[in-house]
Amino acid sequence: DGGITQSPKYLFRKEGQNVTLSCEQNLNHDAMYWYRQDPGQGLRLIYYSQIVNDFQKGDIAEGYSVSREKKESFPLTVTSAQKNPTAFYLCASGTGSSGNTIYFGEGSWLTVV
Amino acid sequence: AQKVTQAQTEISVVEKEDVTLDCVYETRDTTYYLFWYKQPPSGELVFLIRRNSFDEQNEISGRYSWNFQKSTSSFNFTITASQVVDSAVYFCALPSGGYNKLIFGAGTRLAVHP
Repeated sequence: DGGITQSPKYLFRKEGQNVTLSCEQNLNHDAMYWYRQDPGQGLRLIYYSQIVNDFQKGDIAEGYSVSREKKESFPLTVTSAQKNPTAFYLCASGTGSSGNTIYFGEGSWLTVV
Repeated sequence: AQKVTQAQTEISVVEKEDVTLDCVYETRDTTYYLFWYKQPPSGELVFLIRRNSFDEQNEISGRYSWNFQKSTSSFNFTITASQVVDSAVYFCALPSGGYNKLIFGAGTRLAVHP
């Protein structure tokens, strides 16, 4: 099936640990994005990437890191520097062209215990 | 600055009622797009519609319709004869800056009761 696959769906992390959320797309999209959603709130942009080996910080990049070694993949690492990492994380992709639709994965729930 | 406001935090209706979700936006762009997404309880954001600022015609898709009014910077979404399956959080969004990054409103949670 075509689409965007995020894994894992649910993840528990101990304080002080880094965790990596996977995002893979087979839509041949150039642009990929990571958003964070807190309960009852909208989405905020963490990082985005237009092409391989290039990515840019979004509005809330502190405590996160990404890589874009392949067009299909855009993993997000939540580092121990992120003070409040418990949230729902959504990966998205699109052509990157102005006004084109962005499509989302099913999301990953991260809980710090 | 680019901004999307969804003033309605939660709406509760009984099945078969019509319901309108409001979206007001601010943009410095002369040409722009607007989007609506649905987020069911499973969490995934589902694309509903994209509208170009050039086209102010209302759009209808089954029970869904959208009213775009440039004069009031609004892009409202109406569900006719609501159903329980329409229960979800609905987001309005607007591209901001390069690479088509979207900014989202806070969302409106719609609960449709049998």
